[in-house]
Amino acid sequence: EAGVTQFPSHSVIEKGQTVTLRCDPISGHDNLYWYRRVMGKEIKFLLHFVKESKQDESGMPNNRFLAERTGGTYSTLKVQPAELEDSGVYFCASSHMTSLAHQRVDEQFFGPGTRLTVL
Amino acid sequence: RKEVEQDPGPFNVPEGATVAFNCTYSNSASQSFFWYRQDCRKEPKLLMSVYSSGNEDGRFTAQLNRASQYISLLIRDSKLSDSATYLCVVIRDTGRRALTFGSGTRLQVQP
Repeated sequence: EAGVTQFPSHSVIEKGQTVTLRCDPISGHDNLYWYRRVMGKEIKFLLHFVKESKQDESGMPNNRFLAERTGGTYSTLKVQPAELEDSGVYFCASSHMTSLAHQRVDEQFFGPGTRLTVL
Repeated sequence: RKEVEQDPGPFNVPEGATVAFNCTYSNSASQSFFWYRQDCRKEPKLLMSVYSSGNEDGRFTAQLNRASQYISLLIRDSKLSDSATYLCVVIRDTGRRALTFGSGTRLQVQP
């Protein structure tokens, strides 16, 4: 079974440009998450989709970041315009559908990440 | 103060040694607890969930102390392949699935 895939693996852009990251979750996983790790810091949550709906976007840093998951399959994360502090590794993760009411917690499987460098 | 605190290490141990990592979390309402492993420039992978009763998976034992808000990971008979960064992770809010990560503890097992 294919794991979570992310594209591109690396991206180098200049400040002020736009970049779009893509994530393809494991087939059948309704939950999709975005995280990022900036230099010297811990991995931080950005947002969580359940199918095509944003379940939790409390970690999105500002309105320069836009995440979409049209059709409930793959997701994109667009940064526009990019700033220097956006440099880091952006991870996507997916998990099977769970019931929040029943408090089940399924494993989140991470993709290899996209390493973004803003110059 | 960070929500999840870990000693960054590195811990340098010889093969066969027993090593323990500790982690504290600040939110007493935290619900779920995990240890993830991350190899250099790779993605995090779940090592094990942590339960109040303690749990063991082969050479790995995890413990949770809710009263002290403290999580531990014990690795027995260390192998060279155990060299990695170990991330302490919690889910802090009921009804949410966002993972909150510690900065990680780096382990280097030496021959």
